[in-house]
Amino acid sequence: ELKVEQNPLFLSMQEGKNYTIYCNYSTTSDRLYWYRQDPGKSLESLFVLLSNGAVKQEGRLMASLDTKARLSTLHITAAVHDLSATYFCAVDISRGYGQNFVFGPGTRLSVLP
Amino acid sequence: NAGVMQNPRHLVRRRGQEARLRCSPMKGHSHVYWYRQLPEEGLKFMVYLQKENIIDESGMPKERFSAEFPKEGPSILRIQQVVRGDSAAYFCASLGTDSYEQYFGPGTRLTVT
Repeated sequence: ELKVEQNPLFLSMQEGKNYTIYCNYSTTSDRLYWYRQDPGKSLESLFVLLSNGAVKQEGRLMASLDTKARLSTLHITAAVHDLSATYFCAVDISRGYGQNFVFGPGTRLSVLP
Repeated sequence: NAGVMQNPRHLVRRRGQEARLRCSPMKGHSHVYWYRQLPEEGLKFMVYLQKENIIDESGMPKERFSAEFPKEGPSILRIQQVVRGDSAAYFCASLGTDSYEQYFGPGTRLTVT
């Protein structure tokens, strides 16, 4: 059975600090997505990683993908309160037509002043 | 360019009633995905549709749930004889033919009393 795990599930950090969220998955895939969700809201796309070694950065967030290790990381640099949200990774396990997303359980991030 | 639209945003049903959720994909998108999110959990895939076709319904419960995406009009997720356990947020996402990125709607929050 495919598993997508995130670590940690809960993260409380101070503003200005750095931290990394990990996403592990148990099957072969070279397509991984990161989303942000604010309470009661929909999912906002953050990063689309489509190959081994892909690295993307946007503001204080940087995501990478290692398909051999089946691991993606979301690195937060100098956190600010506005980054408080739940972050999900999603692995696309489709083998042909369309997509088949399996989501991780989410990492709930709280950035404290 | 309107994004993915869902209605209603909130729906309250008594046990045994029917719930009908609608999703209009982004203009030009012909792939629709439905997901369910229970409180404090990640999204779980339910069904993948194209116009007039169900491509993958492996995530749909065998009973009471059905989905369609007619030639004209929105995609509809129908839940018959709702039970308390159906209370959740239901999101749809749409995908363009040559795209790797799913765009999510705002969700419908179903409460069964």
